[in-house]
Amino acid sequence: AQTVTQSQPEMSVQEAETVTLSCTYDTSESDYYLFWYKQPPSRQMILVIRQEAYKQQNATENRFSVNFQKAAKSFSLKISDSQLGDAAMYFCAYRGGGADGLTFGKGTHLIIQP
Amino acid sequence: DSGVTQTPKHLITATGQRVTLRCSPRSGDLSVYWYQQSLDQGLQFLIQYYNGEERAKGNILERFSAQQFPDLHSELNLSSLELGDSALYFCASSETSLYQPQHFGDGTRLSIL
Repeated sequence: AQTVTQSQPEMSVQEAETVTLSCTYDTSESDYYLFWYKQPPSRQMILVIRQEAYKQQNATENRFSVNFQKAAKSFSLKISDSQLGDAAMYFCAYRGGGADGLTFGKGTHLIIQP
Repeated sequence: DSGVTQTPKHLITATGQRVTLRCSPRSGDLSVYWYQQSLDQGLQFLIQYYNGEERAKGNILERFSAQQFPDLHSELNLSSLELGDSALYFCASSETSLYQPQHFGDGTRLSIL
């Protein structure tokens, strides 16, 4: 079974600075997809960014970018110019090519210091 | 607004009871997924339906069941409820069962007293 590990239960960053959230995963599949979801205090699950495993180019969405290292099975999220609204739980998620449901990590609680 | 509608938002009931959670997917989405988020287990995939048919099962208990109707809305039935079933239950939908990202509803908060 696939597993997703987020080793940082909590991270803190000053407003306007850059922070990187770590995620590693374990799989024997070659075809899969990776996602970062954000869950603010409202409890909504909001898709932040996604990456197809077959693409070598790292995905970018405005201030959010990923560092995808397939051989190392690492998928970190970088948030640039952190804003107060970025404060939330961030979940890394894996989805295999067989199109099952998402496997989530335990999450990282991101705190933004004003 | 993700376009996925879940009702009710909150549900309080007692042990041993049965409840039904409802989900309306985004317009055009054929796949529906159910997830459970609890302090003990984190976010867990329960079950997936695609165009009315069960497509994949995750960590769903035998006391739980789901179905997807011809109009594509889905219901998650939880029976013989236990204290440990208290959780936030999410429904998500996607266009097909392939790569498209899953869009989550706001969840139903279930509290077992």
